[in-house]
Amino acid sequence: DIVMTQTPSSQAVSAGEKVTMSCKSSQSLLYNENKKNYLAWYQQKPGQSPKLLIYWASTRESGVPDRFIGSGSGTDFTLTISSVQAEDLAVYYCQQYYNFPYTFGAGTKLELK
Amino acid sequence: EVQLQQSGAELGKPGTSVKLSCKVSGYNIRSTYMHWVNQRPGKGLEWIGRIDPANGNTIYAEKFKSKATLTADTSSNTAYMQLSQLKSDDTAIYFCAMQRAWIIRDWGQGVMVTVSS
Repeated sequence: DIVMTQTPSSQAVSAGEKVTMSCKSSQSLLYNENKKNYLAWYQQKPGQSPKLLIYWASTRESGVPDRFIGSGSGTDFTLTISSVQAEDLAVYYCQQYYNFPYTFGAGTKLELK
Repeated sequence: EVQLQQSGAELGKPGTSVKLSCKVSGYNIRSTYMHWVNQRPGKGLEWIGRIDPANGNTIYAEKFKSKATLTADTSSNTAYMQLSQLKSDDTAIYFCAMQRAWIIRDWGQGVMVTVSS
């Protein structure tokens, strides 16, 4: 199975800060045939279902604010929030869909400083 | 608008089974794959498996192969997951989710399954 490792596990932030979080996979998620990275990012707020933010490592889902930026390739990926808003306090999960079983990272929790 | 409506909370005794449902509106499940994911209390997301409703083909994570059974009824546009031989460790929120164009995009609201005698 592909292991997804997210760091940090939690991060205290202030509104307006730039935030970055990391996701590393135990094997490459880059499919050479189409040059796509099979990596998604989800946001989960307390008591809610996960919400898709980013797919193909860097494509923002429709309706997602442009302050959410996904980057990276191969085994190293980053989710950046350019200017954190209060409504962004949540847990963020990366997930690989390169092969089965699909696997998630353990999550990065954004908390208020 | 795509919506996934899951059945209500379940309380099951150890050793019994429960069957969860996930009714999809706004999209034909024949054209997609349906996934199930769980989340134990205070923990992260764990992928259980996927079904192709068009032909019933399934793929499971190894640890759920003897625990979960995924089915789908295309006539009612509903996916199901049966959990068997319930143990306290199965206590979790279970989400159904729909894949569109490779990506798991749409999620049900989740259903709490509590295993207790």
